[in-house]
Amino acid sequence: QVTLRESGPALVKPTQTLTLTCTVSGFSVSAHGMCVSWIRQPPGKAPEWLARIDWDDDKHYSTSLKTRLTISKDTSKNQVVLTVTNMDPVDTGTYYCARTTVGIPAYFDFWGQGTLVTVSS
Amino acid sequence: SYELTQPPSVSVSPGQTARITCSGDALPKKFAYWYQQKSGQAPVLVIYEDSKRPSGIPERFSGSSSGTMATLTISGAQLEDEADYYCYSTDNSGDHRVFGGGTKLTVL
Repeated sequence: QVTLRESGPALVKPTQTLTLTCTVSGFSVSAHGMCVSWIRQPPGKAPEWLARIDWDDDKHYSTSLKTRLTISKDTSKNQVVLTVTNMDPVDTGTYYCARTTVGIPAYFDFWGQGTLVTVSS
Repeated sequence: SYELTQPPSVSVSPGQTARITCSGDALPKKFAYWYQQKSGQAPVLVIYEDSKRPSGIPERFSGSSSGTMATLTISGAQLEDEADYYCYSTDNSGDHRVFGGGTKLTVL
C-alpha cells in the first residue's frame, strides 16, 4: 500500500526557510522509475507543482521558483525533503508530496494528505 | 508561461451527465490528467493519459481529448461526485507543468 506523509512546521515567519519532509511507504524512493514531487495549493486556489526528484537523483524545479527551492532525498529513511527559502505570506498554503509516474508529462498518482503552512509574523 | 483553461463551475442534476472541459495549446501533443478534490481532502487521480481510468475509479468517469481540448465526462453524476476538478498537463517544451484553474461541480 502506497502512502506518503508530509511533516514540517505549521507556521513560519517571513524571510525564514521552510523545510518539509515527505515520509514514504509502499515503495522505495531509490527504486528504478520512482519519483516524488512536491505540490502546493494556496487556500481556495489551484494546485501548483514545485519540484520533483527521481530515483537516480535527477531533480526538476518550477521555473518560477527554482531559485528558492531545493529537493533532496534520504534513501536510508525513504524520505524526500523540500526546502523553500525566503518565505513570504503569498507562500501560505497546503503543501503536498506525491508519487510521480513517468509520462508525457509525468503525473501524480498517489498524494499525501498535505500539511498546511502559514507564513506570518 | 502556460495556461490550462477550465470553466469555473458546472452544475447538473443527479443522474445527468456532467462534462468539464480543459483547453490548452499543447494538448494535441501532451496528455491531460484529471484530479478530483473534495473539500478538505487531497486531490485524487481520476483520469490519466487523456482517457485511462485508475483502479478503483468508477466507470462513470471517462476522459477524451481532441485538438486543444480535453474533456472529463461523468455519466450519471451522483451526489458524491460534488468536488473541484482540476486538469493537469504541460507545455510543448515540458518546462511548465501546470494545473487548470479548477471547475466546481455541483450535483443537485
